[in-house]
Amino acid sequence: SAVISQKPSRDICQRGTSLTIQCQVDSQVTMMFWYRQQPGQSLTLIATANQGSEATYESGFVIDKFPISRPNLTFSTLTVSNMSPEDSSIYLCSVVFANVLTFGAGSRLTVL
Amino acid sequence: AQKVTQAQTEISVVEKEDVTLDCVYETRDTTYYLFWYKQPPSGELVFLIRRNSFDEQNEISGRYSWNFQKSTSSFNFTITASQVVDSAVYFCALTQEGYDYKLSFGAGTTVTVRA
Repeated sequence: SAVISQKPSRDICQRGTSLTIQCQVDSQVTMMFWYRQQPGQSLTLIATANQGSEATYESGFVIDKFPISRPNLTFSTLTVSNMSPEDSSIYLCSVVFANVLTFGAGSRLTVL
Repeated sequence: AQKVTQAQTEISVVEKEDVTLDCVYETRDTTYYLFWYKQPPSGELVFLIRRNSFDEQNEISGRYSWNFQKSTSSFNFTITASQVVDSAVYFCALTQEGYDYKLSFGAGTTVTVRA
């Protein structure tokens, strides 16, 4: 199975700042995916990150708020911009491996 | 549209009791896939099972078993002889064929196993 590493694992941020989350996969993958899990809630797909092209965002998520980079086949970043307390969530990077969506440990952000 | 309903928000049991988690889904697709994931307090999502819509055979894996009933659109999960380590949030999820990455998750059921 794929091993997915995320950094930071958790952070406390101030309102109005931005934070970039990194995701590293131990094998080359065409697509990487970013999910959000708000406190006590289920998971929602934010966007799909393809290497060499712009990310594809789901309804309700925009590039200005969640810019994504995908510089190579093993790495992606998600930036949460101009954060507000409503952005406090766990952000999870994921890849499909053997037809199964596999997740990293997540990055738990708290915005004060 | 796809929808997954996990009506049980929280379940608390004493160790060694069995616990069944309900999952009801809605989809218009004829080919679809159902999943269960476990999220322990550490936060990482752990894949438990993937089942396609054409395979209604029930499955058992150790203390875990799954009951898929297409007639009632349900995919229930039972933990037999629960242990404290089973304490976690369990998510049921659904996706259509060709969209392995785009899962519709249920709200999750928090299972607490008391010693």
